[in-house]
Amino acid sequence: DGGITQSPKYLFRKEGQNVTLSCEQNLNHDAMYWYRQDPGQGLRLIYYSQIVNDFQKGDIAEGYSVSREKKESFPLTVTSAQKNPTAFYLCASSIWGLNTEAFFGQGTRLTVV
Amino acid sequence: DAKTTQPPSMDCAEGRAANLPCNHSTISGNEYVYWYRQIHSQGPQYIIHGLKNNETNEMASLIITEDRKSSTLILPHATLRDTAVYYCIASPPGGSGNTGKLIFGQGTTLQVKP
Repeated sequence: DGGITQSPKYLFRKEGQNVTLSCEQNLNHDAMYWYRQDPGQGLRLIYYSQIVNDFQKGDIAEGYSVSREKKESFPLTVTSAQKNPTAFYLCASSIWGLNTEAFFGQGTRLTVV
Repeated sequence: DAKTTQPPSMDCAEGRAANLPCNHSTISGNEYVYWYRQIHSQGPQYIIHGLKNNETNEMASLIITEDRKSSTLILPHATLRDTAVYYCIASPPGGSGNTGKLIFGQGTTLQVKP
């Protein structure tokens, strides 16, 4: 089945550790996005990528890093510099340049203790 | 990207039509109106989008006013499974200097009641 997959669904880490969240899509989409969602809030954009080997900061990029070495993969690293990393993280992909919908993964809930 | 305004919450009786309003008075000519919904603890799901004309698909109808300053999402026969947060977003498609990113506000929490 075509889609976008995030793993794992739940992730626990100790404070001070870096952690990488996986996002893979087999939709042949050019654009990929990472969002963060806090309880009762809307989604906020962390990073986005329009093409392989290129990505741009979103509204809340501090404390996060990404890579886009392959079209189908856009991993997000939450570094120890992120002051409040506990959140629900969502990955999305879309066709670049067309007015089509974005497809979202089911999210990774990260808890840092 | 244009800012959108939605009521924070609405109720709807099961089987009745749910009409969710959205105000986007500063929308520009190349911005589409998108609707997504998010069921608790899941990723957002695309519902429908449009530019100027009214649109209908198997999930919903989108009515956009002639001046494009507001729109209404209509779920014709709401079920309990339609209980979710509904987001209205005004955004241009990616390309030509636009990022294609979606800016999510607080949305409307729709509660469908038996």
